[in-house]
Amino acid sequence: AQRVTQPEKLLSVFKGAPVELKCNYSYSGSPELFWYVQYSRQRLQLLLRHISRESIKGFTADLNKGETSFHLKKPFAQEEDSAMYYCALNTNAGKSTFGDGTTLTVKP
Amino acid sequence: EAGVAQSPRYKIIEKRQSVAFWCNPISGHATLYWYQQILGQGPKLLIQFQNNGVVDDSQLPKDRFSAERLKGVDSTLKIQPAKLEDSAVYLCASSSRTSGNEQFFGPGTRLTVL
Repeated sequence: AQRVTQPEKLLSVFKGAPVELKCNYSYSGSPELFWYVQYSRQRLQLLLRHISRESIKGFTADLNKGETSFHLKKPFAQEEDSAMYYCALNTNAGKSTFGDGTTLTVKP
Repeated sequence: EAGVAQSPRYKIIEKRQSVAFWCNPISGHATLYWYQQILGQGPKLLIQFQNNGVVDDSQLPKDRFSAERLKGVDSTLKIQPAKLEDSAVYLCASSSRTSGNEQFFGPGTRLTVL
């Protein structure tokens, strides 16, 4: 069965510092990976997906199949990045699995 | 476009009572998901529909939980009877292949079982 692990429950950085949220997965097939974000009092929403290879709000994520990782990175964190971040995996059959999330706090 | 709608937003019941949640997905989205999110954990998939057929319900406690998606649009999730450990936020999401399988989430229903 597939699994998504986010090893850090809480992550705190200062504004302007680099930030990396870790995501590791286990799945025998070719996964489709996503990062979702939930800002305070808002709905869970997509931040980015690996197949688009785009940068959203300064965040990027690279799929590393060798290390089975999909870490989320931003070179200069902003206070408005404070939120809950979830890594998610879709299997070939479309089944969805989420990690337990990382709460990011960006301090002024 | 209108987002995913869920109701009620909050529900408080006593254990052994029954409860039902409703979800209206984004128009045209064939895939509908129900998740259970316990405090401090990520969303756990309970059931996934493709149109009105079940794709996956391996984590649905079928002795007490049931879900249906008649006509492949709206969906209801029912718990009968509820237990204390069912206290959680129940999220509904929908997606389509044309949206790249991006899931659009509703606001959730916060259930408290006393």
